[in-house]
Amino acid sequence: DGGITQSPKYLFRKEGQNVTLSCEQNLNHDAMYWYRQDPGQGLRLIYYSQIVNDFQKGDIAEGYSVSREKKESFPLTVTSAQKNPTAFYLCASNLGQGPYNEQFFGPGTRLTVL
Amino acid sequence: GQNIDQPTEMTATEGAIVQINCTYQTSGFNGLFWYQQHAGEAPTFLSYNVLDGLEEKGRFSSFLSRSKGYSYLLLKELQMKDSASYLCAAVDSNYQLIWGAGTKLIIKP
Repeated sequence: DGGITQSPKYLFRKEGQNVTLSCEQNLNHDAMYWYRQDPGQGLRLIYYSQIVNDFQKGDIAEGYSVSREKKESFPLTVTSAQKNPTAFYLCASNLGQGPYNEQFFGPGTRLTVL
Repeated sequence: GQNIDQPTEMTATEGAIVQINCTYQTSGFNGLFWYQQHAGEAPTFLSYNVLDGLEEKGRFSSFLSRSKGYSYLLLKELQMKDSASYLCAAVDSNYQLIWGAGTKLIIKP
């Protein structure tokens, strides 16, 4: 079955530590996205990538980094520079820019900083 | 700036009909999505509108008025499993999604 997987589902981290969230898709989608969701707020775009080896900052990129070495994979690193990293992180993918390009979402990773 | 507004929370009765409104202001417009999100889970696609009018899909319908910057999601014959958040997202001129904060729908028996 095609889909998007994220791991782990729950992640705990101590302050000052970097942590990497995994996102893999087998939908053959060109574009991939990372969102952050806080309680009572909409999805906020962290980074996105339209093609391998290229990515762009979203609205809240500070304190985060990404890589896109393979079409299927788009890992997100939450660095110690991110001041308030506790949140629900969602990875998504679609065919790319253009109308009616529905985004498909992974199950999410809930990150808690202790 | 770009902005999406939708009510924070709504309550409805099982078996009834509910309409969730969404107004948007974006730089350019390339359509509007509605997603359903159960607590702690990923959003799932419900509908996409780019032309004015009503799109019906089973118990769910979505309406768009481009001139008014307005959309609504209509849910009929409400079931307890419809209790979820409903996210409205407009597509801007760069094909980026601008997300609303979501409307939490509570269904009572």
